[in-house]
Amino acid sequence: SYELTQPPSVSVSPGQTASITCFGDKLGDKYACWYRQKPGQSPVLVIYQDNKRPSGIPERFSGSNSGNTATLTISGTQAMDEADYYCQAWDSSTAVFGGGTKLTVL
Amino acid sequence: QVQLVQSGAEVKKPGASVKVSCKASGYTFAGYYMHWVRQAPGQGLEWLGWINPKSGGTKYAQKFQGRATMTTDTSISTVYMELSSLRSDDTAVYYCARSIEAAGNDWFDPWGQGTLVTVSS
Repeated sequence: SYELTQPPSVSVSPGQTASITCFGDKLGDKYACWYRQKPGQSPVLVIYQDNKRPSGIPERFSGSNSGNTATLTISGTQAMDEADYYCQAWDSSTAVFGGGTKLTVL
Repeated sequence: QVQLVQSGAEVKKPGASVKVSCKASGYTFAGYYMHWVRQAPGQGLEWLGWINPKSGGTKYAQKFQGRATMTTDTSISTVYMELSSLRSDDTAVYYCARSIEAAGNDWFDPWGQGTLVTVSS
């Protein structure tokens, strides 16, 4: 079965750029999405179709996808961005999620 | 605004079944697919499958085939997910989430508030 691999944790200082990666075989041939989940809350879509932002998501969130790696980039990271982030893609009509990355802003 | 409201928490014994509901509002119910995703305590997200409210068609993740059943009642804009033969490792928060279709270029937005299902003897 298809797998997506994310680093368990990423740390960033306030105001710096955070990059969260998602690795999957030929992931660049698929579309990747990203979801943010804060403690006790439901996931929220932050990036879809590799690099599109839903309305209401700040411009500091961006995405890219090429080769085997999709990347979520948060520029000028703020304390409010501290959360778990999950990548997601489709393989053979099945939705697959990465294991999640805990972003710590310190 | 688009909203998905799920039923309340459930406590079930091993071997029992649970049925969780998800009521949609703020959009044309039959025009979108509905998916179910679960999250065990402290763990990541796991996709269970989808239902097309317009046709009633379903697709389940291989892991849940034969144990999960998704249905819909279009008269009240509600989808249901029933999971049978519950085990302790089915303890999780179950989310419904909307998508335009169920294809490789699609995404989940929005998500319901989640329903905690606890399986314990």
